[in-house]
Amino acid sequence: AQTVTQSQPEMSVQEAETVTLSCTYDTSESDYYLFWYKQPPSRQMILVIRQEAYKQQNATENRFSVNFQKAAKSFSLKISDSQLGDAAMYFCALNRDDKIIFGKGTRLHILP
Amino acid sequence: NAGVMQNPRHLVRRRGQEARLRCSPMKGHSHVYWYRQLPEEGLKFMVYLQKENIIDESGMPKERFSAEFPKEGPSILRIQQVVRGDSAAYFCASSQSGLGANVLTFGAGSRLTVL
Repeated sequence: AQTVTQSQPEMSVQEAETVTLSCTYDTSESDYYLFWYKQPPSRQMILVIRQEAYKQQNATENRFSVNFQKAAKSFSLKISDSQLGDAAMYFCALNRDDKIIFGKGTRLHILP
Repeated sequence: NAGVMQNPRHLVRRRGQEARLRCSPMKGHSHVYWYRQLPEEGLKFMVYLQKENIIDESGMPKERFSAEFPKEGPSILRIQQVVRGDSAAYFCASSQSGLGANVLTFGAGSRLTVL
């Protein structure tokens, strides 16, 4: 069974607009961490944002914020004021046991 | 303060040859993770090591693949008798201690092409 599911293989957004990337996950743990990583064409994996499950407050990092719904096991990423440099693959990830499990990713296109 | 260093960035091997990928973790990090990324796929966990110990190798293929993280020197991911299906990007990541509060810092990856 897939642990981290990203149901949107690709998405497009107009520059300066807002876009939301979806992620659902499955875990039996009550305390865990969720992440969004960005992989631009350079292939470098860059941490965008992190959420601790025991914190109810949604994490934010500048233009990036999450909507964390623990009961629904949902962890979406919102990018505000999209910029051309945001074009990349975005991976949702969950730490389980001693490793991080990644979803298959969503490719985000920014339309000028 | 160098990040996670991986080399080579690109490696070409013929079927049956051996591939060795090296990873030097961030300074102060003693936990190393290897991931494999096939084209248009996410990252798949392979192995988690601490100095001189393999902690979790549940993602490693049973044959031809091995990993080590010696007391001195970089972590090595070794693939013997490579086949075309081994062509992928291999990412190394490190953390200061075990996961939980700590995040992974990734290297730039090593792209293996098997001819």
